This record gives sequence, C-alpha cells and structure tokens, in this order.
Amino acid sequence: GQSLEQPSEVTAVEGAIVQINCTYQTSGFYGLSWYQQHDGGAPTFLSYNALDGLEETGRFSSFLSRSDSYGYLLLQELQMKDSASYFCAVRVNYGQNFVFGPGTRLSVLP
Amino acid sequence: DVKVTQSSRYLVKRTGEKVFLECVQDMDHENMFWYRQDPGLGLRLIYFSYDVKMKEKGDIPEGYSVSREKKERFSLILESASTNQTSMYLCASIGGVNTEAFFGQGTRLTVV
Repeated sequence: GQSLEQPSEVTAVEGAIVQINCTYQTSGFYGLSWYQQHDGGAPTFLSYNALDGLEETGRFSSFLSRSDSYGYLLLQELQMKDSASYFCAVRVNYGQNFVFGPGTRLSVLP
Repeated sequence: DVKVTQSSRYLVKRTGEKVFLECVQDMDHENMFWYRQDPGLGLRLIYFSYDVKMKEKGDIPEGYSVSREKKERFSLILESASTNQTSMYLCASIGGVNTEAFFGQGTRLTVV
C-alpha cells in the first residue's frame, strides 16, 4: 500500500522558521512535491524534489532524503499569509500519478 | 494564465441521483485527474486519464466512473449518489513530463 505521514497541525509566530516533515512508504518513488492550500482555495504547487538535497525557492525550501524516505518543507520569515494547509505528494510512477499526504495545517500567529 | 475550471463550486444532490462533475482545462494537458478531499485524509485519487478515451482507476474508484471524450474535458460521474460521497472533489491536470499539477477550485458536493 501507499502511506504518507505529516503532522496534522503546526503553529508558529510571524518571522519565525517552521519545518513540516513528510515520511512516506510507497510502491514506487520518482519524486516528492509540496502543495499549499488556503481555506476555500485550490492546492497550488510549491516545489518538486527528484534528487536528494535541499532546493530553495525564495522563503521556501524543500529537502529530500530518498534513503530515509523522508522530506521536509522549510518556511522562513513566516508571514500571516502563509497560514494554510501544506500537502506532500509522492510521484509513484512515471505516468504522473501522485499520492498525497493527509496535510499539515499551519497557523501563523502575530 | 493557466486554468482548470470545474463547473460548480457547490452542489446538493439527493441519494440515488446520477451526478455529473465537469472539469475543463485550457492548457492542452494530456493528464487529468479526479481527487476527493476529506479532512485528515488528504487528497485521494479516484480516476485519472492520460489521453482522450483513456481512463484508469485510482485508489478509490468504487461508486464512480469517468468520461474523457475531448482532451480538455474530464467528467466524473456518480452513478447513484450516496451520503458517503459527500466531499470536496478536485480536478487536476499535468502536461507531458512536467511535475506541476494545476487544480481546479473544487466542487463541494453534499448528498442528502
């Protein structure tokens, strides 16, 4: 079967750094994606890691360790607008199929 | 601006009704997907399609069917709606070998 685990909720204050972890057990692995979803909105793409290591895009970074079946999303200089749900997703085959995690609700406090 | 459009934001249907959820994308993407989203469960794949007339079952296809007669349109059909199909339904598309999925705004379906 396929399973992805994420913390259900994370809370942090404005300006802080937060890390959202994702561990996975899947039948195949081609890469790990992260998506952001605001309440009432559509998920939007943040990052994709196919290889081990850290990828940085502005205030957001994403890390992957394939040997540990683990990845994380790092959000720096948190802003109120970062309050949202964050989903990790594993690409399980070359045919673009993604299995999503349960999501982590991030609350940023003033 | 890329766009995936779902025909309805909110739907209320009665148990036993046949329900059609429509999704249209304007990006000429080959791959289209239907997910349902429930609290604590993330997004679960119902069906997907890699090309016109082609469909594959996802993780939870029971009670659903799909149709893809044109490249830009992917329809999800609930043959006989049941209360346990009350959920948020999300359509997504991905182009070629890209890895970024574009999602529609979702349809919140309530079956009473």
